[in-house]
Amino acid sequence: DSGVTQTPKHLITATGQRVTLRCSPRSGDLSVYWYQQSLDQGLQFLIQYYNGEERAKGNILERFSAQQFPDLHSELNLSSLELGDSALYFCASSVSGSGNQPQHFGDGTRLSIL
Amino acid sequence: DQQVKQNSPSLSVQEGRISILNCDYTNSMFDYFLWYKKYPAEGPTFLISISSIKDKNEDGRFTVFLNKSAKHLSLHIVPSQPGDSAVYFCAANDGGATNKLIFGTGTLLAVQP
Repeated sequence: DSGVTQTPKHLITATGQRVTLRCSPRSGDLSVYWYQQSLDQGLQFLIQYYNGEERAKGNILERFSAQQFPDLHSELNLSSLELGDSALYFCASSVSGSGNQPQHFGDGTRLSIL
Repeated sequence: DQQVKQNSPSLSVQEGRISILNCDYTNSMFDYFLWYKKYPAEGPTFLISISSIKDKNEDGRFTVFLNKSAKHLSLHIVPSQPGDSAVYFCAANDGGATNKLIFGTGTLLAVQP
């Protein structure tokens, strides 16, 4: 158990809809990261938050947004969903937002767009 | 452009023997490297890491070697156990002010009893 909690585990919805994925980091971790894993690709970095502030952005679509709340949990919002958004979405956390330290991952949310 | 490459999609090893998983990278600015293990329906689990100022790091049965001139790292598992069967991802941190990781596409290790 990594200590990172993601909900829900599975989400099935239709094209055009909007969903929210939730992540609670490990106790004491201030930084949260979101990654996407599609069928034909490895883990792709989406976005990072540190103590409530956006720290870095990867190839995140404009239809996607995220935030980190004062209690340090984070939400990833995906809107105007398309078939290609079907993927596993992982959240990870680390103690701080920089430097050489490992990230610890949750078990992911599997999003299926019908 | 794949900056972190794992060229072997799969590897099969006998129990008790050594497993060697390889990873190549292209960006010389990468300064921290990690290996993760992933079982189906679970998230990646951190195994071991190495800073670019070192060439070897050991933790129990797991050893990571870094060859900066060749931009190559490898993970050695000795002895291999059936429970080690999983997908192994290599990742690199590009340093700077963030801690974002760039992952390889993974190698599926099967340890045969």
